[in-house]
Amino acid sequence: DTGVSQNPRHKITKRGQNVTFRCDPISEHNRLYWYRQTLGQGPEFLTYFQNEAQLEKSRLLSDRFSAERPKGSFSTLEIQRTEQGDSAMYLCASSLVGGKQYFGPGTRLTVT
Amino acid sequence: DQQVKQNSPSLSVQEGRISILNCDYTNSMFDYFLWYKKYPAEGPTFLISISSIKDKNEDGRFTVFLNKSAKHLSLHIVPSQPGDSAVYFCAAINTGTASKLTFGTGTRLQVTL
Repeated sequence: DTGVSQNPRHKITKRGQNVTFRCDPISEHNRLYWYRQTLGQGPEFLTYFQNEAQLEKSRLLSDRFSAERPKGSFSTLEIQRTEQGDSAMYLCASSLVGGKQYFGPGTRLTVT
Repeated sequence: DQQVKQNSPSLSVQEGRISILNCDYTNSMFDYFLWYKKYPAEGPTFLISISSIKDKNEDGRFTVFLNKSAKHLSLHIVPSQPGDSAVYFCAAINTGTASKLTFGTGTRLQVTL
């Protein structure tokens, strides 16, 4: 399967802990996106990369959030000092420039 | 500020009938629209799209209609099948200035036997 993969699929953490998620895009895609989806809402844009450059960040991405794509391949999204409001599905997508975005299965984060 | 709206949170349709899912947008700069389908515990799957230079696009049982003057699009599924039961998201993008998709809140479609 050569689709977008995300790990872990589920993460339960206690408030105040740090968590890190990984996304592996479709191999030839140079753009990678992170979205967050909460219950009853559609996915909301967080940030995106073109190759290793982070080109846009949403206001939703507070200082506790950091994303990297060091070699222009996989990406990580880290949340520091998690809060209960961070509980959501974190979705990764990839695309070619100007192409359609293909989504991974998501990482469901639960902060207790 | 919800720039993409799906005002029907749910829809129930009998197998074999037509399903019509609606979407409205407010940002006139959007020039490309997509529908995604989402099953529980999976990521959204691309279904069909339409450029603002067209008013209709068909792909098998799925047709998307765009009415730019009304800032409205709709997805028609004919005939509806039980496997179509999922949450459908409308998304929009301004291809000239942005790469991010703006999504609606989704419509849960249930196709009954």
